[in-house]
Amino acid sequence: GQSLEQPSEVTAVEGAIVQINCTYQTSGFYGLSWYQQHDGGAPTFLSYNALDGLEETGRFSSFLSRSDSYGYLLLQELQMKDSASYFCAVRALNTGFQKLVFGTGTRLLVSP
Amino acid sequence: NAGVTQTPKFRVLKTGQSMTLLCAQDMNHEYMYWYRQDPGMGLRLIHYSVGEGTTAKGEVPDGYNVSRLKKQNFLLGLESAAPSQTSVYFCASRTPGQGANDEQYFGPGTRLTVT
Repeated sequence: GQSLEQPSEVTAVEGAIVQINCTYQTSGFYGLSWYQQHDGGAPTFLSYNALDGLEETGRFSSFLSRSDSYGYLLLQELQMKDSASYFCAVRALNTGFQKLVFGTGTRLLVSP
Repeated sequence: NAGVTQTPKFRVLKTGQSMTLLCAQDMNHEYMYWYRQDPGMGLRLIHYSVGEGTTAKGEVPDGYNVSRLKKQNFLLGLESAAPSQTSVYFCASRTPGQGANDEQYFGPGTRLTVT
């Protein structure tokens, strides 16, 4: 099976940098994705890492270490609108990588 | 291009009633998914489909049925609703295969309350 662990809540102030970690256990690994979800909204895709290293998209970056079964999402120059829940997710081997398994999410609170 | 749409947005059911949630996508995606999300929890997969006429069980399929008669539509049915099915239901779709983008596109959600 698959399991993912991430912190339940992180707090930070505007302009700061925050890192949200995700560790996973899976019988097969395809890649690590990150999704953002604002309260009352739908999850939206942020990033995807299939290979080790850092992927940068504007203020957001995502890192993967396959050997450590670990990844993180880095948010820079935090803005109030970044207050949301962030989910890491991996694709499952036991269905030919057709299913995405989500972590329980990290709630990010950005204060002025 | 509307993306993924869900009908209805809100619904209140009494225990034992039945209903169908409709998901539609206009992106020609092969794969479609139904998730439920409960407070403080991630998204749990109910059922999914890898193509027209196919369905498969996810993590929490009990009490739900699905059908994919047309490629663009994925229906989720509750035959006899229970309070434990009070949740927010999200539909999602994606194209199969590998690539730099592993994105799943989500609908806006259906908020269901069973009393």
